[in-house]
Amino acid sequence: IQMTQSPSTLSASVGDRVTITCRASQSISSELAWYQQKPGKAPNLLIYKASTLEIGVPSRFSGSGSGTEFTLTISSLQPDDFATYYCQQYSSFRTFGQGTKVEIK
Amino acid sequence: QITLKESGPTLVKPTQTLTLTCTFSGFSLSTDGVGVGWIRQPPGEALECLAHIFYNGDKYYSPSLKSRVTITKDTSKNQVVLTMTNMDPVDTATYYCAHMVGQWLGRGAFDYWGQGTLVTVSS
Repeated sequence: IQMTQSPSTLSASVGDRVTITCRASQSISSELAWYQQKPGKAPNLLIYKASTLEIGVPSRFSGSGSGTEFTLTISSLQPDDFATYYCQQYSSFRTFGQGTKVEIK
Repeated sequence: QITLKESGPTLVKPTQTLTLTCTFSGFSLSTDGVGVGWIRQPPGEALECLAHIFYNGDKYYSPSLKSRVTITKDTSKNQVVLTMTNMDPVDTATYYCAHMVGQWLGRGAFDYWGQGTLVTVSS
C-alpha cells in the first residue's frame, strides 16, 4: 500500500491553522497513524486509528478520515510544531508517506 | 517506563551482512499483542519499515527487502535482532527499533522508539 502526502513542504506562521493530507493507494479503513519528527530525533506518535490522540499530545492536533483519504490538522500552530510530519498505514504491513515539512513563513 | 536502544556497527562494507540488536526494557515480548519493528531513514529522506515481529513469533517483512532481511527475537534477553545481507551504499541510514501493540487491540502504531543508530555503508 502506497501512502502519498501533500504538500511536501508547507510554510506557515505561528497561530495559523495547518492541514496536511495523506492518501492511501487502497482502502485502509482507519488504520492510520501520524508522527512528528524533529531533526536528529526519532519520530513521535501523535495520532493513531486515524483520529485518536496519543496520551500527552496537545489537543491542537487532530486527525480525521477513513478509507483512502486522511488529514492531520494543527488548529493553531505553535513554535514547537515546526517539524516534519509523516503518516503511516498499518492495515497491510506498515508503510509511511514521504513526509511534510512545516516551515516558518 | 518503556525504553529501546539499538546497537551494532556504525560502518559496514558493501556486500557485508549487517546485524543490529534492539535491547528493550519496560515490556515483555511474550505479552499478548506486543511487537517490535525496525524502521530506517536515509539521510534527508523518509521513513521505511523493514520488518516487525510479534509476541507469538509472527514475522512481517517489507516486500521490497524480504529476500535480504531477517528478524528474530530473544524473549529471555529482551532483544530483537535484524540482519540485512548484501549491504549497499544506498542502505546508509539511521536504523530505529520501535515498540507497538497490534491493531487488533486498538493500537497498531509505533508508540515508543529507540534513539536510532546511523549505519554507513562504504568501502
